[in-house]
Amino acid sequence: IAGITQAPTSQILAAGRRMTLRCTQDMRHNAMYWYRQDLGLGLRLIHYSNTAGTTGKGEVPDGYSVSRANTDDFPLTLASAVPSQTSVYFCASSEEVYGYNEQFFGPGTRLTVL
Amino acid sequence: AQTVTQSQPEMSVQEAETVTLSCTYDTSESDYYLFWYKQPPSRQMILVIRQEAYKQQNATENRFSVNFQKAAKSFSLKISDSQLGDAAMYFCACEGGSQGNLIFGKGTKLSVKP
Repeated sequence: IAGITQAPTSQILAAGRRMTLRCTQDMRHNAMYWYRQDLGLGLRLIHYSNTAGTTGKGEVPDGYSVSRANTDDFPLTLASAVPSQTSVYFCASSEEVYGYNEQFFGPGTRLTVL
Repeated sequence: AQTVTQSQPEMSVQEAETVTLSCTYDTSESDYYLFWYKQPPSRQMILVIRQEAYKQQNATENRFSVNFQKAAKSFSLKISDSQLGDAAMYFCACEGGSQGNLIFGKGTKLSVKP
């Protein structure tokens, strides 16, 4: 079934630890995004990638890094987790960057940093 | 900066009745897309309906329709014949310009009473 997968589904992490959230899509979409969802704040963009080999910063990039080595994978890394990074993280993809760019979302990763 | 505002944190509707969720946005783009996403308790983000700004005709998808007022930058969602399965968080979103991401509102939690 075509779509986006994320791993893990949920994770409890000690502050200061390094963590990589995985995201893989099989739709051959050019653009991929990482959002975080916090209660009362909606979804906010962390990082994005318009095509393999390129990445950019979104609204809330501090403390996060990404890479886009190929079309399908877009991992998000927390180098040293802090409690304020407790959130639900969504990976999304769209075929195009501009114009009609309906975004398809993964199931999300619930991350708790203690 | 582009912004999306959902002024109703929570709404309630009786089963089989009609409810309208409000959304206003601000963008400097002349052509753009607007979206409503549904997020049920499963956490999955599901596209409900989309609207192309250059089209004056309001989009309709079965029981879901929008009232798009471009001059007023308003994009409300009407749900007719509400069903228990419509209970969810609803997010309004607008294209975010050069990054291609979506700018989301903070969401409206819809409850459906039997």
